Amino acid sequence: NAGVTQTPKFQVLKTGQSMTLQCAQDMNHEYMSWYRQDPGMGLRLIHYSVGAGITDQGEVPNGYNVSRSTTEDFPLRLLSAAPSQTSVYFCASSYLRTGHNEQFFGPGTRLTVL
Amino acid sequence: DQQVKQNSPSLSVQEGRISILNCDYTNSMFDYFLWYKKYPAEGPTFLISISSIKDKNEDGRFTVFLNKSAKHLSLHIVPSQPGDSAVYFCAASGADGSARQLTFGSGTQLTVLP
Repeated sequence: NAGVTQTPKFQVLKTGQSMTLQCAQDMNHEYMSWYRQDPGMGLRLIHYSVGAGITDQGEVPNGYNVSRSTTEDFPLRLLSAAPSQTSVYFCASSYLRTGHNEQFFGPGTRLTVL
Repeated sequence: DQQVKQNSPSLSVQEGRISILNCDYTNSMFDYFLWYKKYPAEGPTFLISISSIKDKNEDGRFTVFLNKSAKHLSLHIVPSQPGDSAVYFCAASGADGSARQLTFGSGTQLTVLP
């Protein structure tokens, strides 16, 4: 199993450009999520999904869109990048059984917006 | 206002000694707590967790203690090894529908000196 994979590893954008961060998992996890990590602030939840066709907002959703057409993939879209979106982005997934399940994280995408 | 706080940004410990990482939370609806470990350029990896119905959970060299009345948890690593040097994040989640929405602390950089 590859686990959770993210592409690209690094990206530099200019203000106003758009891009999609890719995330895929091969563990058949129902739950997938996107976090951003900023210095001194830990990881903050952007959007999450409990299954194909179902998405919802997390703590910091503004400026980001998501969709979930398959169980495996959960892309994160920046429609018009801003310098405030410079961050490290992590995708995570887990099962959706009753009880609590550890989330598995991808290696991250480091995004710089100039 | 941060609901999960790790007030020590860094901690240095001699190899073989005990490392104690602390975490405080403010939301009384949190009922499950996790510790994640993160190496540079990698995603966080799950380390250990504890439910609010317990006050201690042990896994090898790692023990997590929970004091619900003080809204405080701690991670003990005994004995500490140089490979334990990493950033440690405390995370919390609520019951039922919010079980997989993790709220993270800002992290503590642990350095184990040989």
